[in-house]
Amino acid sequence: EDQVTQSPEALRLQEGESSSLNCSYTVSGLRGLFWYRQDPGKGPEFLFTLYSAGEEKEKERLKATLTKKESFLHITAPKPEDSATYLCAVQAGNNAGNMLTFGGGTRLMVKP
Amino acid sequence: DGGITQSPKYLFRKEGQNVTLSCEQNLNHDAMYWYRQDPGQGLRLIYYSQIVNDFQKGDIAEGYSVSREKKESFPLTVTSAQKNPTAFYLCASSMDGNDYSGNTIYFGEGSWLTVV
Repeated sequence: EDQVTQSPEALRLQEGESSSLNCSYTVSGLRGLFWYRQDPGKGPEFLFTLYSAGEEKEKERLKATLTKKESFLHITAPKPEDSATYLCAVQAGNNAGNMLTFGGGTRLMVKP
Repeated sequence: DGGITQSPKYLFRKEGQNVTLSCEQNLNHDAMYWYRQDPGQGLRLIYYSQIVNDFQKGDIAEGYSVSREKKESFPLTVTSAQKNPTAFYLCASSMDGNDYSGNTIYFGEGSWLTVV
């Protein structure tokens, strides 16, 4: 059974204080690992897809990396507007479709 | 604007009542999905459809039903058999339900269902 675990559950940062969010996974043949941002009461917004170990992707203050067992979302010099819940999800190779298995999310709060 | 539209945003259900959540997409995507999100928890798959007139159960399909009569529409009915329906419901879509390259899934804005 595919499993995704995110840590920490919640993270408080001061503005400008860089940190990383972790996503550990076990999956039968990873097809893709996805990061989403979710604001309260809204649907998840797509950020990145990573396909193979060693791959990295960047977008503004965010950088996602992937190993064979985990992914990190690095946040450099965060701003209050980066406050949100960040969701990690995997697509497995044995799926008949593109369904995602999600972790529980990390709630990030950035104080000015 | 292209996107996924869910309605209503807020819905209240009485005990024993069936309710239907609407999901429409104009992205020309083949595959559509319904996920449920409970407070502080990850998303769980209810149903998915890779093509018109075909759909499959997800991990928590009991008490729910769907139809896929048109490519752009995938309504979800929460039946009275669903004993704990209060949750945030998310509809999603992707270009191809069978693309092995890991097709990106895009989400709508969600619908809140509360039992009263």
